[in-house]
Amino acid sequence: RKEVEQDPGPFNVPEGATVAFNCTYSNSASQSFFWYRQDCRKEPKLLMSVYSSGNEDGRFTAQLNRASQYISLLIRDSKLSDSATYLCVVNMRGYSSASKIIFGSGTRLSIRP
Amino acid sequence: EAGVAQSPRYKIIEKRQSVAFWCNPISGHATLYWYQQILGQGPKLLIQFQNNGVVDDSQLPKDRFSAERLKGVDSTLKIQPAKLEDSAVYLCASSSGLANNEQFFGPGTRLTVL
Repeated sequence: RKEVEQDPGPFNVPEGATVAFNCTYSNSASQSFFWYRQDCRKEPKLLMSVYSSGNEDGRFTAQLNRASQYISLLIRDSKLSDSATYLCVVNMRGYSSASKIIFGSGTRLSIRP
Repeated sequence: EAGVAQSPRYKIIEKRQSVAFWCNPISGHATLYWYQQILGQGPKLLIQFQNNGVVDDSQLPKDRFSAERLKGVDSTLKIQPAKLEDSAVYLCASSSGLANNEQFFGPGTRLTVL
């Protein structure tokens, strides 16, 4: 089982739709969680951090479920410019107690007019 | 504020040759990361530095890959000798080193091994 798993997609949704992605992680001692966005042939950029209480930034909502070991990203009223790959990132605590950063393989989102 | 700089942007070599990549992080960032991103996959952490010390190199293929950050600022990543499967984008990122802090990525070096 991969340490961080995402549905690769692609998700192809119409403009204005609501779309949600999940990301599961295997290490219950994981400490911090993030969603990054990566456009085609570009570097990843931070979209938002994910907090235990959940957090919202405009049309984007991120949630963490520690009991079930997953994080989610919800995009409301999707725009054409939301088309990108969304990467889930988990900062895990390894056996040696040093932290370990794991990226998921990404979920591709394509918004159609 | 200047971002993370990387060079070269593109490199094509033949297998068994050597190659080196350079990264200049954002000024003042204590933590520097090198990632390998193969097409269709997420970035895989190769090595993480805190200042000039190595924090995590558990996924670095040490028989052929090496990295250094001698003065705690710039860093180089070397592959010697290269294999076909090393074809990927090599991303450098930096962060302030504080808990839950954002990583800032450079544009990457796209390596093709023929």
